[in-house]
Amino acid sequence: DAGITQSPRHKVTETGTPVTLRCHQTENHRYMYWYRQDPGHGLRLIHYSYGVKDTDKGEVSDGYSVSRSKTEDFLLTLESATSSQTSVYFCAISESTSSYEQYFGPGTRLTVT
Amino acid sequence: EDKVVQSPLSLVVHEGDTVTLNCSYEVTNFRSLLWYKQEKKAPTFLFMLTSSGIEKKSGRLSSILDKKELFSILNITATQTGDSAVYLCAWRGRNNDMRFGAGTRLTVKP
Repeated sequence: DAGITQSPRHKVTETGTPVTLRCHQTENHRYMYWYRQDPGHGLRLIHYSYGVKDTDKGEVSDGYSVSRSKTEDFLLTLESATSSQTSVYFCAISESTSSYEQYFGPGTRLTVT
Repeated sequence: EDKVVQSPLSLVVHEGDTVTLNCSYEVTNFRSLLWYKQEKKAPTFLFMLTSSGIEKKSGRLSSILDKKELFSILNITATQTGDSAVYLCAWRGRNNDMRFGAGTRLTVKP
């Protein structure tokens, strides 16, 4: 299995509070992604990164920000959590040279009450 | 707007049946199409397709891409209960962004 961890794995928080999810990889892959998965919507891309300090928006980026100060870490921040952000969040990594396969972390279940 | 559409949304078969899952896409800047299997956890990679007409095969699973008609199929022969999962296809663009379909839920009954 690719070396990807996510923390926390489960979190319950209240509306209006800030939340930061962490994705950590040990593969030295260039690309990192944050997705959310909701019933009926499949996986939707929130933000992705193509290198340290290089990030771009996905299709559902409103309400989320990201940072990547080191190759191995990609942080997703909800500045002020809302109930609509209750979801399962997956991080993924890929390497752009020999392979475009994408490997997923175990996921974080976030509940905003 | 770029989109990836999978069909059917769900499918119930019996062990030993052959199934075909469909993925059509309307996207700009196509780079590759990927298939994943998701059980009760994170998706796991199955295939990546970049060229039309070249079949990728792994055991009982195979997949092919038609870039002219903008679709891909995933075939599973001699299905087993362990094949029960959600199968996801995804488009990867030239900027390495990704767009997933909603998935096909496959249930294989004994």
